[in-house]
Amino acid sequence: LAKTTQPISMDSYEGQEVNITCSHNNIATNDYITWYQQFPSQGPRFIIQGYKTKVTNEVASLFIPADRKSSTLSLPRVSLSDTAVYYCLVGDMFSGGYNKLIFGAGTRLAVHP
Amino acid sequence: DVKVTQSSRYLVKRTGEKVFLECVQDMDHENMFWYRQDPGLGLRLIYFSYDVKMKEKGDIPEGYSVSREKKERFSLILESASTNQTSMYLCASSSQTSSFPYEQYFGPGTRLTVT
Repeated sequence: LAKTTQPISMDSYEGQEVNITCSHNNIATNDYITWYQQFPSQGPRFIIQGYKTKVTNEVASLFIPADRKSSTLSLPRVSLSDTAVYYCLVGDMFSGGYNKLIFGAGTRLAVHP
Repeated sequence: DVKVTQSSRYLVKRTGEKVFLECVQDMDHENMFWYRQDPGLGLRLIYFSYDVKMKEKGDIPEGYSVSREKKERFSLILESASTNQTSMYLCASSSQTSSFPYEQYFGPGTRLTVT
């Protein structure tokens, strides 16, 4: 089965850039890598999705190396409101159909003033 | 805005009770999912459905069943609630037109306590 590894927690200060890396082996060849953000008492919220190289949207960038064994979520100039848990989501290469969604355990980001 | 609603935010049930968790989405999404979220274990997929009356087991289906009679509604059923099913339950939906594993839209969650 695919396995994902993320740091349990990270600390940062307002205005800094934060990079959160998810290591994932045995992920499905054709599937995208997705990141979600979750605030307390809410469901996760989609942030960004990518397949290879770099993807950028209005809130984050996602870097994926050619071997796709990891992905790095980059949050530019974080603010207090970015304090949340961040999850990566991949597809397992050994499972078929829809039964291959693997969420990472999550990284708890704390942004300090 | 996509909206996924869940019938209850908090629920307390007794061991052995039959429990129904309801989820409704308003974006005409084909896919719907039920997850449970536990500290240290992250999100684990219980069941998913990619069409009306269609369902597939996820990673941890034991002790659960689901029902999808209408496209917008996906119900999770705990046949006989047990204390180890105390958890946060999250429903999600997604369109099949986006890239797998799909941009999923989550509801606010139901915190179920079984005593």
